[in-house]
Amino acid sequence: DTGVSQDPRHKITKRGQNVTFRCDPISEHNRLYWYRQTLGQGPEFLTYFQNEAQLEKSRLLSDRFSAERPKGSFSTLEIQRTEQGDSAMYLCASSLGGGDGNTIYFGEGSWLTVV
Amino acid sequence: AQSVSQHNHHVILSEAASLELGCNYSYGGTVNLFWYVQYPGQHLQLLLKYFSGDPLVKGIKGFEAEFIKSKFSFNLRKPSVQWSDTAEYFCAVTKRDDKIIFGKGTRLHILP
Repeated sequence: DTGVSQDPRHKITKRGQNVTFRCDPISEHNRLYWYRQTLGQGPEFLTYFQNEAQLEKSRLLSDRFSAERPKGSFSTLEIQRTEQGDSAMYLCASSLGGGDGNTIYFGEGSWLTVV
Repeated sequence: AQSVSQHNHHVILSEAASLELGCNYSYGGTVNLFWYVQYPGQHLQLLLKYFSGDPLVKGIKGFEAEFIKSKFSFNLRKPSVQWSDTAEYFCAVTKRDDKIIFGKGTRLHILP
């Protein structure tokens, strides 16, 4: 158990619907990351937060994607008007911060299937 | 653009064989380097990491990796693999205080 928890673990949705994933990081971790992983690929960076501030957002993230971390604790990743290409595992991870504290610990992921 | 290359997409070995998985990165300057492992049906787990100091780092389960700065490489090794090492292995790189970028992974299959 890494301490990073994600919910839901699995989501099947119809194309065009909105979905939201939640991530609870390890409690003392300031940084929170979202990655996307498809079969046969490594995790692709989407966005990350330092406390409540969103530090960077990948160009992979279209306007349909939005992430928040309002109180610097849990985070949500929302996908609006889902498309079949959004089907993937969405991974959340957390770390203490930069420098030597930058080892990140992953949750078990949220599988999204868009039908 | 910053990138991480893993040369072997799929490796098949027999038990007790030696393993070396290649990893090259394109960052300049000071980097932190990682190998993560994903066993079937499980989440990503840290195998080992390099931040500074001795470029030969040892991780869990008998794995080690060597950072060669001049070659921008961080290859993973294990002298004698076991069936339980069957998994997918990901090399990852970060500049300090930045996000972590992953390679596409190497799927390792160990024959009993």
